Amino acid sequence: KAGVTQTPRYLIKTRGQQVTLSCSPISGHRSVSWYQQTPGQGLQFLFEYFSETQRNKGNFPGRFSGRQFSNSRSEMNVSTLELGDSALYLCASSLAPSLGANVLTFGAGSRLTVL
Amino acid sequence: GQNIDQPTEMTATEGAIVQINCTYQTSGFNGLFWYQQHAGEAPTFLSYNVLDGLEEKGRFSSFLSRSKGYSYLLLKELQMKDSASYLCAVRDRGYSTLTFGKGTMLLVSP
Repeated sequence: KAGVTQTPRYLIKTRGQQVTLSCSPISGHRSVSWYQQTPGQGLQFLFEYFSETQRNKGNFPGRFSGRQFSNSRSEMNVSTLELGDSALYLCASSLAPSLGANVLTFGAGSRLTVL
Repeated sequence: GQNIDQPTEMTATEGAIVQINCTYQTSGFNGLFWYQQHAGEAPTFLSYNVLDGLEEKGRFSSFLSRSKGYSYLLLKELQMKDSASYLCAVRDRGYSTLTFGKGTMLLVSP
């Protein structure tokens, strides 16, 4: 079955612009999490969604937002981009938050460069 | 909050055994995960421990001691393709969110 699909894979923006990233989870997975990965900080948690509801949010400014649709697809948006937002944004899906190991399966990521 | 520590880099020789340690301090604990990430690729799941002890899966094993806040990933019969970053992650009680360490870059040489 298809894995987690993230689009776009690469994008370049300038400071002050906004960006929307998309994530399609594995079929049947209803939970989607977003992470930011940078060389200095590693993987940092952004948000988690389940059944269109944000269950948890990481320590990021309000410029970072997200949502989940009824088909479990998710989007995240970053407004007023800053140079420090340059990173790999990873989406991960899982069956449901409370099921056993609830292993996260990651997509290949969207690499954002802010100039 | 959670604090997860693991070595930044390790080197080993093909065919050898390597142990990657991870220590954590958490306000709640609901499982520890290990992921492998090759350069430019997505992290992939390796192992999960929620109870104390050793979990073995082929060449890879993972150990957990909850009382010590300690885990290790053991890789046997190292292969060149094992060169990657190994990420330790802890799940907090009550949430499914994972908090990741910064990863250990393992370089396997011939």
